Amino acid sequence: NAGVTQTPKFQVLKTGQSMTLQCAQDMNHEYMSWYRQDPGMGLRLIHYSVGAGITDQGEVPNGYNVSRSTTEDFPLRLLSAAPSQTSVYFCASSSPMIAGGRTDTQYFGPGTRLTVL
Amino acid sequence: AQSVAQPEDQVNVAEGNPLTVKCTYSVSGNPYLFWYVQYPNRGLQFLLKYITGDNLVKGSYGFEAEFNKSQTSFHLKKPSALVSDSALYFCADYYGQNFVFGPGTRLSVLP
Repeated sequence: NAGVTQTPKFQVLKTGQSMTLQCAQDMNHEYMSWYRQDPGMGLRLIHYSVGAGITDQGEVPNGYNVSRSTTEDFPLRLLSAAPSQTSVYFCASSSPMIAGGRTDTQYFGPGTRLTVL
Repeated sequence: AQSVAQPEDQVNVAEGNPLTVKCTYSVSGNPYLFWYVQYPNRGLQFLLKYITGDNLVKGSYGFEAEFNKSQTSFHLKKPSALVSDSALYFCADYYGQNFVFGPGTRLSVLP
């Protein structure tokens, strides 16, 4: 299994450009999420999905869109890049626990380092 | 809102000494607590988790964590630190449908 893969690893954009960060997992996980990591702020949740066709907003959703057409893929779209979106982006996936309705351990991709000029 | 605190930005410890990385969580039902480690230019890796049961949880690479309900804490520990343990450590709590992460603690183990 490749686990969680993310492309690209690095990206430089100009203000106003749009792009899509790709995320895929081959573990048949229902739950997928996108985080951004900024110094001193830990990981902040952007969007998440509890299954194909279902997405919801996290803590910092503005400026980002997501869709979940398949179980495997969960792309993150930047609509009009801004310097404030310069960050490292992580995708993660996990499976539901058998009991309790909670998700289990998250598996993280290697990250995409994005710079917006 | 649920929150996770890691009161120390940086922890320095000498190789061979015991280490502790602190984490406290806000009270809301039964906590579901995790520790993750991040090495430079890598994604987060799972270390251990607490769901219910024994308050002392053992995880990967010789790490363990102690859950203390009265102090709402979940401190990460290791009896003897290695230089290779130097990394960024995150505590997380599962709340609602999502994980809430602490800000991270940078651990430096000095040879």
